[in-house]
Amino acid sequence: QVQLVQSGAEVKKPGASVKVSCKASGYTFTNYPLHWVRQAPGQRLEWMGWINAGNGKTKYSQKFQGRVTITRDTSARIVYMEVSRLRSEDTAVYYCARDQRSVWFDPWGQGTLVTVSS
Amino acid sequence: EIVLTQSPGTLSLSPGERATLSCRASQSVSSSYLAWYQQKPGQAPRLLIFGAYSRATGIPDRFSGSGSGTDFTLTISRLEPEDFAVYYCQQYGSSPPYTFGQGTKLEIK
Repeated sequence: QVQLVQSGAEVKKPGASVKVSCKASGYTFTNYPLHWVRQAPGQRLEWMGWINAGNGKTKYSQKFQGRVTITRDTSARIVYMEVSRLRSEDTAVYYCARDQRSVWFDPWGQGTLVTVSS
Repeated sequence: EIVLTQSPGTLSLSPGERATLSCRASQSVSSSYLAWYQQKPGQAPRLLIFGAYSRATGIPDRFSGSGSGTDFTLTISRLEPEDFAVYYCQQYGSSPPYTFGQGTKLEIK
C-alpha cells in the first residue's frame, strides 16, 4: 500500500537548520508531487510547499520562500525538506503528504516533531 | 488568501447521534477544491471527503459532505466511538494555494 515514512524527531537551536526526510513506497514515485505541511502547537495546518517528484520543480508558500528548500532523491524515493534560520516559532510537527490532482493530500506521513529551543 | 472558519470549535455529542460540522470560506470556493480531514491524537490527518461530496477510499458511508460557494458541511450520520477526533476543512485556491480551517474538535459527551 502507499506509505510515507518520515525521519525522527529533532531538537535544534535558534539559527540552525533542520532537514526532514520522507520515504515513499507503494506507488510510482515520480508520478506524484509531494507536499509539506506543518502544524504548530495550537495552530491550524499550514502548507509550506511542494515538489514535482518527476522533474524536481518546486513551489513554496510566500511565507517560507527563501527559508525552506525541498529536494528529492529519485533513486532512493525520498523527499527532503530543509528549514534554515530556525526560530522558536518553527517548533511544529512537519508532515509530508502525497498530492492528489493538485487539490488535496492523501496519504500523509506520520509527522516529524521539530523543536527549536535554546 | 482564502480564510476558512470552522464552527463550532468543539462539539460534544454521544455515540449514535448525528454530527454537523461547518466550514465557511472568506470567498467563494469551487466545490471541486474543498476537502475534509480527520485527525486523531498523535496521528496524521486522514482524507475523508474530496471535491466537497466524494468519500475517500475506505471511508464509511456515515460520513457525507455537502455545500457550495462559501458554506460547506461535513455530516456524520450516526457517531461511532472511533469518530471522536478533530476535523479540518481544506481548500485549493490562490496564493497560498492551500489553506486549512482551524479545526472542530468532536468530543464524547
